[in-house]
Amino acid sequence: NAGVTQTPKFRILKIGQSMTLQCAQDMNHNYMYWYRQDPGMGLKLIYYSVGAGITDKGEVPNGYNVSRSTTEDFPLRLELAAPSQTSVYFCASRVGGTLATGNEKLFFGSGTQLSVL
Amino acid sequence: RKEVEQDPGPFNVPEGATVAFNCTYSNSASQSFFWYRQDCRKEPKLLMSVYSSGNEDGRFTAQLNRASQYISLLIRDSKLSDSATYLCVVNPSIYNQGGKLIFGQGTELSVKP
Repeated sequence: NAGVTQTPKFRILKIGQSMTLQCAQDMNHNYMYWYRQDPGMGLKLIYYSVGAGITDKGEVPNGYNVSRSTTEDFPLRLELAAPSQTSVYFCASRVGGTLATGNEKLFFGSGTQLSVL
Repeated sequence: RKEVEQDPGPFNVPEGATVAFNCTYSNSASQSFFWYRQDCRKEPKLLMSVYSSGNEDGRFTAQLNRASQYISLLIRDSKLSDSATYLCVVNPSIYNQGGKLIFGQGTELSVKP
């Protein structure tokens, strides 16, 4: 199993450009998450999904869109890139259901470093 | 008030020391709590889960105080390899459903020889 795969690893955008960060998992996990991490800060939840066709806003959803058409994929879309979106983006997944020992672990991708100039 | 707040750090301790971090949460209905470790802004890794009053795993002990709404992480006999950022994570749901997992800002630990 590859686990959680994020692409690209690095990207530089100009202000106003758009792009999609890809995230795929091959573990048949129901729950998937997008976080961003600014320098010296923790992770902020952008969007999450508890299954195909279901998405919910997190703490910082403005400027982003997501879709979940399949269990495997959870792409994050930036429509009009702004310098404030310069950050490291992490995608994560977990099995799903009621949190309990054995199913609570978040599996992370290796991150995407995005710079908006 | 932020949903999850941690000791700002950084904590600089000598090898062998005992160090403790605190994390407060705002939603009293929260049922599930976690500590993750992050090295050099790589992907975070689960360190411990806390569902009841506490949990212990070797040199690491996590405790939950529901009345005061905080969890703590205690590291005994610190090793150089413990140097990392420790992230507190809370599921703010009364039903223990994992939809939302909120991270604190992290506490940096540096263990010196």
